[in-house]
Amino acid sequence: AQSVSQHNHHVILSEAASLELGCNYSYGGTVNLFWYVQYPGQHLQLLLKYFSGDPLVKGIKGFEAEFIKSKFSFNLRKPSVQWSDTAEYFCAVKVTGSQGNLIFGKGTKLSVKP
Amino acid sequence: NAGVTQTPKFQVLKTGQSMTLQCAQDMNHEYMSWYRQDPGMGLRLIHYSVGAGITDQGEVPNGYNVSRSTTEDFPLRLLSAAPSQTSVYFCASSYSRGGEATQYFGPGTRLTVL
Repeated sequence: AQSVSQHNHHVILSEAASLELGCNYSYGGTVNLFWYVQYPGQHLQLLLKYFSGDPLVKGIKGFEAEFIKSKFSFNLRKPSVQWSDTAEYFCAVKVTGSQGNLIFGKGTKLSVKP
Repeated sequence: NAGVTQTPKFQVLKTGQSMTLQCAQDMNHEYMSWYRQDPGMGLRLIHYSVGAGITDQGEVPNGYNVSRSTTEDFPLRLLSAAPSQTSVYFCASSYSRGGEATQYFGPGTRLTVL
């Protein structure tokens, strides 16, 4: 069965530090990849997505992610985090041609210290 | 557009009670789904629907029923609530189950079963 692994459960950074959150998936075929963000007490919002083309995708709020097919990875990055980036981040995978169901990682909680 | 709406926002039930969590979308989306979110577990798919009259089970369907009589509505029913169903429930929808469709999430229902 397909699965998604997020390596870090909780990341604590100071403002202006750089961020990289890891995401790996286990599926050898074609996938669509997503990062969602959940701010405290709110619902999930789409941060960015990859379907095809340029493996470096840019999302909202200065986030970007790079799809490395050979490593089955889709890591999320931001060069300089802000206190307002404090949230939980979820990586998700959709297998192309499947019923359309998303498979989520367990999430990474990011705490940014002002 | 209101997007994906869910009611109620909060609910407390006693073991054995039944209730229905409501989900509606006004985007004419074909695909709808229900997830539960538990700490450290990410989001897990309960049931999904690829169109009116068509539903199927996800990863954790036990204890839940769904139906899809209209394109807009996708209610989730708990027939006999158990403490293990204490969770946050999210409904999501997308215009298609495949292709480059992106899922959009509702605000969630926080359910506590005593």
